[in-house]
Amino acid sequence: DADVTQTPRNRITKTGKRIMLECSQTKGHDRMYWYRQDPGLGLRLIYYSFDVKDINKGEISDGYSVSRQAQAKFSLSLESAIPNQTALYFCATSDFGTRSNEQFFGPGTRLTVL
Amino acid sequence: GNSVTQMEGPVTLSEEAFLTINCTYTATGYPSLFWYVQYPGEGLQLLLKATKADDKGSNKGFEATYRKETTSFHLEKGSVQVSDSAVYFCALTSNAGGTSYGKLTFGQGTILTVHP
Repeated sequence: DADVTQTPRNRITKTGKRIMLECSQTKGHDRMYWYRQDPGLGLRLIYYSFDVKDINKGEISDGYSVSRQAQAKFSLSLESAIPNQTALYFCATSDFGTRSNEQFFGPGTRLTVL
Repeated sequence: GNSVTQMEGPVTLSEEAFLTINCTYTATGYPSLFWYVQYPGEGLQLLLKATKADDKGSNKGFEATYRKETTSFHLEKGSVQVSDSAVYFCALTSNAGGTSYGKLTFGQGTILTVHP
C-alpha cells in the first residue's frame, strides 16, 4: 500500500463549487504539506502543518483552506472554485528531526474547474 | 528568501548521451538539496539528495554534488535511457530555523525526452 494517498485522483467541477481534496499517510510523519503544480512553474506551497495544532500559509494560500483532522490526515478545501485553480495538487509529508527534511509525495489529484 | 533556478528545457537527447541539468540556488543557512523526478502521469519521487557541502548524491546512475562555493547542485548522468524521460525538479529545504524551516522550495522543472 502507498504511504501517502490522495483522494480523489481526478476531479472535474464547476466554478463556484466547494471542493475538498484529502490526504492520508501511514508514514507516521508529523509534518504535512499541500502543493499545486502548474506547467512551467514547478510546485508551489499552499499550506503546511507541522503538527495537528499547527497550520501555516504557504506562498499561494488565497482561495484555499486546510484542516488537519489527525496526525495522518490533512485536507485541502477550495471554498468556491475558480478556473485558475485548475492544476495538479500534491500532498507531501516529512519527519521532524531528520537532517535532510526530505519530503514524500502522494500521487497527486488532477483538478479541473470549468 | 530561498530560491532555486534550473536550466530551461525541454531537453531532448538520444539514448546513451550525456546529461547535465543545471541547478543553482539561493538560501539562508545550510540547506539540504534534492533532485526529484516525475515520470509521466505520476507523482514526485526523490531521485537523490545531499545535506552538506561537497556531498555527492547518487542513484540510478544519476549524480549531483553540493557545491557551496558556486551554490550549485547540477544533475548528471553519463548515459541516458529512454526510461529516463521525465520531468526533473531541483529543490532545497532550509535548515536555518525560523518560518522557512523544513519547507521545500522547487525549481520550475526541466522536461527531459530521450529518443531511441
